[in-house]
Amino acid sequence: GAVVSQHPSRVICKSGTSVKIECRSLDFQATTMFWYRQFPKKSLMLMATSNEGSKATYEQGVEKDKFLINHASLTLSTLTVTSAHPEDSSFYICSARWSQRESGEEQYFGPGTRLTVT
Amino acid sequence: GQQVMQIPQYQHVQEGEDFTTYCNSSTTLSNIQWYKQRPGGHPVFLIQLVKSGEVKKQKRLTFQFGEAKKNSSLHITATQTTDVGTYFCAGRATNDYKLSFGAGTTVTVRA
Repeated sequence: GAVVSQHPSRVICKSGTSVKIECRSLDFQATTMFWYRQFPKKSLMLMATSNEGSKATYEQGVEKDKFLINHASLTLSTLTVTSAHPEDSSFYICSARWSQRESGEEQYFGPGTRLTVT
Repeated sequence: GQQVMQIPQYQHVQEGEDFTTYCNSSTTLSNIQWYKQRPGGHPVFLIQLVKSGEVKKQKRLTFQFGEAKKNSSLHITATQTTDVGTYFCAGRATNDYKLSFGAGTTVTVRA
């Protein structure tokens, strides 16, 4: 159990266009999902926390109007990178917290989306 | 804000040897988690420690949570090529909802 999928796995887009990334928990309900950004050989940088049915909580320095997050259901959260620029090129990873588990703390990560903006 | 520091950043190990990676937090943690990310892959949850002084083992991996709940370590014995990857610690401070990840220790193994 605890599988998280992410789509697409890779995307190349032109500068100025928008890209939507989907994150799904396949076999459990996730009231909370997280969006991270990871640069090559670097750690995970939390961008925002997405709660089902409410507005996302963005970390300091992350533009909420540029990185739109929607968590419409207990199994789906989306991240839309609007008006993408080359500096937005990165590896975006989502994770979901399985709130029904006894521990309820660990996060299950999706396989990530490699975004390249040309 | 909370900071989680992890050392060393790189660990090059002879196959069969042991090594330890350390994690230190600037604040007291509610719990600490460890993840492993293989090259080209995504982080995979390994374990969570909650209690002060807690020690947990997973085969050749030993995880420890400090008495003050501000530091943790991961010790791997008899390193194998399958241990290659980056190991991240991630801590959640008391009264916080999010995890702060350390920079990771990238492990390479020479046969």
